[in-house]
Amino acid sequence: QKEVEQDPGPLSVPEGAIVSLNCTYSNSAFQYFMWYRQYSRKGPELLMYTYSSGNKEDGRFTAQVDKSSKYISLFIRDSQPSDSATYLCAALRGGYSTLTFGKGTMLLVSP
Amino acid sequence: GAVVSQHPSWVICKSGTSVKIECRSLDFQATTMFWYRQFPKQSLMLMATSNEGSKATYEQGVEKDKFLINHASLTLSTLTVTSAHPEDSSFYICSAPLDRGNTEAFFGQGTRLTVV
Repeated sequence: QKEVEQDPGPLSVPEGAIVSLNCTYSNSAFQYFMWYRQYSRKGPELLMYTYSSGNKEDGRFTAQVDKSSKYISLFIRDSQPSDSATYLCAALRGGYSTLTFGKGTMLLVSP
Repeated sequence: GAVVSQHPSWVICKSGTSVKIECRSLDFQATTMFWYRQFPKQSLMLMATSNEGSKATYEQGVEKDKFLINHASLTLSTLTVTSAHPEDSSFYICSAPLDRGNTEAFFGQGTRLTVV
């Protein structure tokens, strides 16, 4: 079992829709949870991260972590065609450890 | 904000030749940099951790003699793919953490390597 599981999609939605992207993880030692956006043939770009359980909001993006169920979510409100990209979740144990990535979910927002 | 610059963005080379990829932290010092490989529709897989002034730490299954890493300064790490073969064709990405928690990890633009 991979430590971070993510449905690769693609997920297709119309412009303006609310998008829900999800990951599950198996390692209870993970404390930080990140979401990266990766456009085709580009390096990942950090969108936001959360520490432990809870929600974090940044503009149209909301990250949510439920440590009891080991579930990570990213919600995108009022989705735009420019949001079309691959979204990678990642987890970190803390300290100076390395990131563990999910496979990424491809999101397609149609005008 | 902090920027990590990676060069080249794409390269095509003949089988058996070597290719060097550079990763620079532009406005901060990076004592540690990470090198990842990403195959199509796959996740980023950590290859090695590059440490300034010391030997790199390689992940299990990554050949250190094939993927040479040099981190000679606080702003530059290089990955050299030696005697490249078609199966080495992949997307290589470096990253540098801004702090010890690695929560603000900045990634380079990536290098698309195609070995023909």
